[in-house]
Amino acid sequence: GAGVSQSPSNKVTEKGKDVELRCDPISGHTALYWYRQRLGQGLEFLIYFQGNSAPDKSGLPSDRFSAERTGESVSTLTIQRTQQEDSAVYLCASSPQTGDDEQFFGPGTRLTVL
Amino acid sequence: LAKTTQPISMDSYEGQEVNITCSHNNIATNDYITWYQQFPSQGPRFIIQGYKTKVTNEVASLFIPADRKSSTLSLPRVSLSDTAVYYCLVATLSGGYNKLIFGAGTRLAVHP
Repeated sequence: GAGVSQSPSNKVTEKGKDVELRCDPISGHTALYWYRQRLGQGLEFLIYFQGNSAPDKSGLPSDRFSAERTGESVSTLTIQRTQQEDSAVYLCASSPQTGDDEQFFGPGTRLTVL
Repeated sequence: LAKTTQPISMDSYEGQEVNITCSHNNIATNDYITWYQQFPSQGPRFIIQGYKTKVTNEVASLFIPADRKSSTLSLPRVSLSDTAVYYCLVATLSGGYNKLIFGAGTRLAVHP
């Protein structure tokens, strides 16, 4: 079956521009996560959505970062006024529900801020 | 949240067994130990998860001693395609969900 998909796969932008990254989770998965991975490093948790509950935004690094999710479907991560330090791979993952479920990751969006 | 420590890198050869040990001294009673694998330009992929003793699946085995302060991922008879970064995580139920804290992982290089 279809896995988690993300678009675009690559995004190059200029400093100060806004970018929007999209994640399509696996159908039926109620939990959705966003992570950031800088070159050669592990993943940093950004935000978590579960159904209609309030999202856990504790990992967002600044108020330039925001994310939305419509019900249990698509999510978008928006970065406003991008900075060079925002350059990274942004990974989305979904899981069937909360708890100790396995997370299924998408291929990521590689963001380069010039 | 429990922090994990694992080797930065390891080298092996095709056909050998590889054991990657991870320490998690501050693991809490309700925490699970989870391992993910990541190939270049891909998202991480779940390998195995356990709470204590030994867990085995078609890919790997996970050994967890009684004190749960460490764990060992065992990959039998590795091949070149097992070259990847392996992450040891302690999955903590936080706010009712599984908050994964990734470290830098162990870069495994399998040589012919």
